[in-house]
Amino acid sequence: EAQVTQNPRYLITVTGKKLTVTCSQNMNHEYMSWYRQDPGLGLRQIYYSMNVEVTDKGDVPEGYKVSRKEKRNFPLILESPSPNQTSLYFCASRTPSGNTDTQYFGPGTRLTVL
Amino acid sequence: QKEVEQDPGPLSVPEGAIVSLNCTYSNSAFQYFMWYRQYSRKGPELLMYTYSSGNKEDGRFTAQVDKSSKYISLFIRDSQPSDSATYLCAKTNTGNQFYFGTGTSLTVIP
Repeated sequence: EAQVTQNPRYLITVTGKKLTVTCSQNMNHEYMSWYRQDPGLGLRQIYYSMNVEVTDKGDVPEGYKVSRKEKRNFPLILESPSPNQTSLYFCASRTPSGNTDTQYFGPGTRLTVL
Repeated sequence: QKEVEQDPGPLSVPEGAIVSLNCTYSNSAFQYFMWYRQYSRKGPELLMYTYSSGNKEDGRFTAQVDKSSKYISLFIRDSQPSDSATYLCAKTNTGNQFYFGTGTSLTVIP
């Protein structure tokens, strides 16, 4: 089954404790992206990657890092999480052949930073 | 000014009604517009996309873009309870950076 998986699905942590949210896709997609979703602010893009070792900032990259060492994986790293990073996070992937190709979203990771 | 503005609703309609969902955007350079549907506790899924101006129809759904007024619309005919979800409009220019509206919550009452 074609899918994007994220782990963990739920995470409660404390300020300053480094964490990584993993994202993996089995569709051989070159493009992957991370978003956060907040009430009243909607879905906002954090980082995206057009291929292995190629990443770029989205709309709200501050406080986040990403890496793309393999095509299927695109982890999101919070080096020193803060309470304002409490949010619902989504990973997505799509093929690059045209802007209209479907962007597949993962199930989401709900992060709470105390 | 936000790239995409969307009325959050909530919107509640009886089954069978025609639903109109709307967004406005601020940068006319963007050419690709999308509508996503998001069920509770799920990730968004692509419903429809349109390029530049004009209409696109897919079953009960019609997406419309008016570039002169920077207006994006989604019409749902013969709405069903299964259409109850949050609908997100989005735009992109290059297919790499995406901008989403805040979403409109829709409930279709049987």
